[in-house]
Amino acid sequence: QVQLRESGPGLVKPSETLSLTCTVSGGSTSSGSYFWAWIRQPPGKGLEFIGSFCYSGSPYYNPSLRSRVTISLDTSKNQFSLKLSSVTATDTAVYYCARQQRAVAGSGNWFDPWGPGILVTVSS
Amino acid sequence: QSALTQPASVSGSPGQSTTISCTGSANDIGYYNYVSWYQQHPGKAPKLLIYDVNYRPSGVSNRFSGSKSGNTASLTISGLQAEDEADYYCSSYTSSSTLLFGGGTKLTVL
Repeated sequence: QVQLRESGPGLVKPSETLSLTCTVSGGSTSSGSYFWAWIRQPPGKGLEFIGSFCYSGSPYYNPSLRSRVTISLDTSKNQFSLKLSSVTATDTAVYYCARQQRAVAGSGNWFDPWGPGILVTVSS
Repeated sequence: QSALTQPASVSGSPGQSTTISCTGSANDIGYYNYVSWYQQHPGKAPKLLIYDVNYRPSGVSNRFSGSKSGNTASLTISGLQAEDEADYYCSSYTSSSTLLFGGGTKLTVL
């Protein structure tokens, strides 16, 4: 079955760029049936969609983060990445990567499976 | 965009049923049938419970069911068990081509 795992630094300084990678096993990031998504959860708070990208489509970004976010695919490594620029303490969160079902014929847009998550703290 | 609205907490006794609501707008839940529900135990990643309003993935207990009326979606858990104690989140696609989550509901099994 498909498994995802996040990796990257657990500590980022304010104003710098947060960079995370999600490695996919048991499935292909070049599949046109899925988007590959990033979702975050600040400590003790709810989930927030960051954005997602499909091999054969355009990226979706949360409008509130669009100016700072870039999601990209590296199909040769079966990975996808998140870059979030100009971070502040409010970007401290557990970051999850997930596979997002692409909408087809009225069905889609759910997240399954999810990676275990990685805590990223923004602090000097 | 504001998060979808969920009650902060609900509770129920073992064996009972409980329902968690998720209220959005005509631009998300009211327009699309792209509503999904997730269960999250402490320190764990969310797990998909329901997709497309009322479909269960393989392996999810039939004690979990979903529905929608107007701008509000609901998750019903029947035959409550201790293991159901967790946080629950709804999600919907929106007319802005993004996805919104609810604020989350903590279920306590008494």
